[in-house]
Amino acid sequence: AQKITQTQPGMFVQEKEAVTLDCTYDTSDQSYGLFWYKQPSSGEMIFLIYQGSYDEQNATEGRYSLNFQKARKSANLVISASQLGDSAMYFCAMRENGATNKLIFGTGTLLAVQP
Amino acid sequence: SAVISQKPSRDICQRGTSLTIQCQVDSQVTMMFWYRQQPGQSLTLIATANQGSEATYESGFVIDKFPISRPNLTFSTLTVSNMSPEDSSIYLCSVERGRFFGPGTRLTVL
Repeated sequence: AQKITQTQPGMFVQEKEAVTLDCTYDTSDQSYGLFWYKQPSSGEMIFLIYQGSYDEQNATEGRYSLNFQKARKSANLVISASQLGDSAMYFCAMRENGATNKLIFGTGTLLAVQP
Repeated sequence: SAVISQKPSRDICQRGTSLTIQCQVDSQVTMMFWYRQQPGQSLTLIATANQGSEATYESGFVIDKFPISRPNLTFSTLTVSNMSPEDSSIYLCSVERGRFFGPGTRLTVL
């Protein structure tokens, strides 16, 4: 069965520093997608970045990059130049690229950016 | 991109009552997904709603408790029936296979 594991319940980072949030996944599918979301205290889910299983290059979106290591089944999120507004819950998720298209979420990492 | 709105944004309800949550998308979409996020937990898929067919429910969720309507390609409703305090959660709808989420409905059941 598909599974997403986020082993860091909480992380601290200094403002302007880079931080890596870990995510490993387990699937027997060859075709899948990996997502990262930010959830501030307001509760909305903000899409950050997507990596397809067949994408050869790591995805990047502004200050966000996804360190995709397929053989290790890891999809870590790197946030560069952290800002105070980055303080939030971060979720890694995987989508089965089949009929259901449902997302399976990890347990999340609470990031606190310190001034 | 898709812009999604949800109503209500939050509500406090009494045990035993029902609440209907609306999800409106600014473009036509084939599949709409309803997720639940219990306090301090991750998101769990409740069901997938396709226009013109019955919703498909995930294990642990039943139609009698969470009836869903999908009358057209831009709108869906999720009803939380006969509520108990365990139903206190954030309920979110999603489209575009996970790329876009609505702002969520924060439900508290007393």
